Amino acid sequence: GAVVSQHPSWVICKSGTSVKIECRSLDFQATTMFWYRQFPKQSLMLMATSNEGSKATYEQGVEKDKFLINHASLTLSTLTVTSAHPEDSSFYICSAPRGLAGGYYEQYFGPGTRLTVT
Amino acid sequence: AQSVTQLDSQVPVFEEAPVELRCNYSSSVSVYLFWYVQYPNQGLQLLLKYLSGSTLVKGINGFEAEFNKSQTSFHLRKPSVHISDTAEYFCAVKGKGFQKLVFGTGTRLLVSP
Repeated sequence: GAVVSQHPSWVICKSGTSVKIECRSLDFQATTMFWYRQFPKQSLMLMATSNEGSKATYEQGVEKDKFLINHASLTLSTLTVTSAHPEDSSFYICSAPRGLAGGYYEQYFGPGTRLTVT
Repeated sequence: AQSVTQLDSQVPVFEEAPVELRCNYSSSVSVYLFWYVQYPNQGLQLLLKYLSGSTLVKGINGFEAEFNKSQTSFHLRKPSVHISDTAEYFCAVKGKGFQKLVFGTGTRLLVSP
């Protein structure tokens, strides 16, 4: 089946620094990728839709200047958390849709990246 | 727009007992429905999905779900649970023609011996 990877799987950074998380579709091309955020014991909240070759679309309430998204190629999207603060500590998950028969898109999820800001 | 409601935040059950996790959705368009499982500190694993056809869907690990259009429900069931089924379960909906998945708040299944 299709595979989506994320790197790193976990990262600890100091408050005020920036951290970049990569999401790759390993065996298919994805013009769109999705970034989710999950707080402990809570559901996944969609942060933004990453679009290859154009600007990302952010969900209401998500700071686009804080969470920079770049969809550099058809297999890579990056999320950069700028000037991170402890409240940005969370589990970040990406997904990529892959087109199947009948116009249906299956979502493939990455394993997630746990960010801890100290 | 679509929305998903999982009324039970936590479901405790004894090993080998049956379990049902409830999911209701709302949508102004036809939908695809999904159940995902998440083990601690891991990503999401697709348990099963309803796209069309038979309303009873069978998935991995012995789970099944039934799509009920009139009640806008997609409840997940397993006739006999194992300790290893302890995890967080998320119901999700996607409108046909859309790519965004909308997740419910999740149900924590706690299986005890």
